[in-house]
Amino acid sequence: KNEVEQSPQNLTAQEGEFITINCSYSVGISALHWLQQHPGGGIVSLFMLSSGKKKHGRLIATINIQEKHSSLHITASHPRDSAVYICAVPTGNQFYFGTGTSLTVIP
Amino acid sequence: GAVVSQHPSRVICKSGTSVKIECRSLDFQATTMFWYRQFPKQSLMLMATSNEGSKATYEQGVEKDKFLINHASLTLSTLTVTSAHPEDSSFYICSARSGPRNSPLHFGNGTRLTVT
Repeated sequence: KNEVEQSPQNLTAQEGEFITINCSYSVGISALHWLQQHPGGGIVSLFMLSSGKKKHGRLIATINIQEKHSSLHITASHPRDSAVYICAVPTGNQFYFGTGTSLTVIP
Repeated sequence: GAVVSQHPSRVICKSGTSVKIECRSLDFQATTMFWYRQFPKQSLMLMATSNEGSKATYEQGVEKDKFLINHASLTLSTLTVTSAHPEDSSFYICSARSGPRNSPLHFGNGTRLTVT
């Protein structure tokens, strides 16, 4: 069993749809990261959160520490949101990563 | 599930020496591997992309003569930090995928490099 489970693996949406990506983890953490990897490989950190909810533009991330679950939501999705979204949990000196969700938003 | 093994997990070396970090895909063939670096409290930064059998593509600002990447087989990529300096101290992570761009990425657990 992976320490970090992410779903779905692939997701195709029409422009404007509301999107949810889920992440469950089994290790104890102090914070969880949501990362966005563009097709070229470059990674952008979207959120780092340890409780509750954070919002940045059309992106919302929530975390439930008790349930060890986090979600990333994209409202009013746009083709430029097409990327791989990865959740990552650092524990001490180690990072555990989900395998990523490949999102394609169709115009 | 697919596993990427990164070794060593921690290494301490003296200035001027070289350090090699290995990234192995244990149960799949990794056509593409990525090397990242993370400075404290910052996000991952892509250093280079390597495809098996060809030269790595380095991101702007990354010295290819300092960070040597070799992807000689479909299951192994290595990053060698040459003539290490204290400012090279960082957390290095590799990831690998077995197919096209929308294939799942599998990450190593990272290597903490400390240069004294």
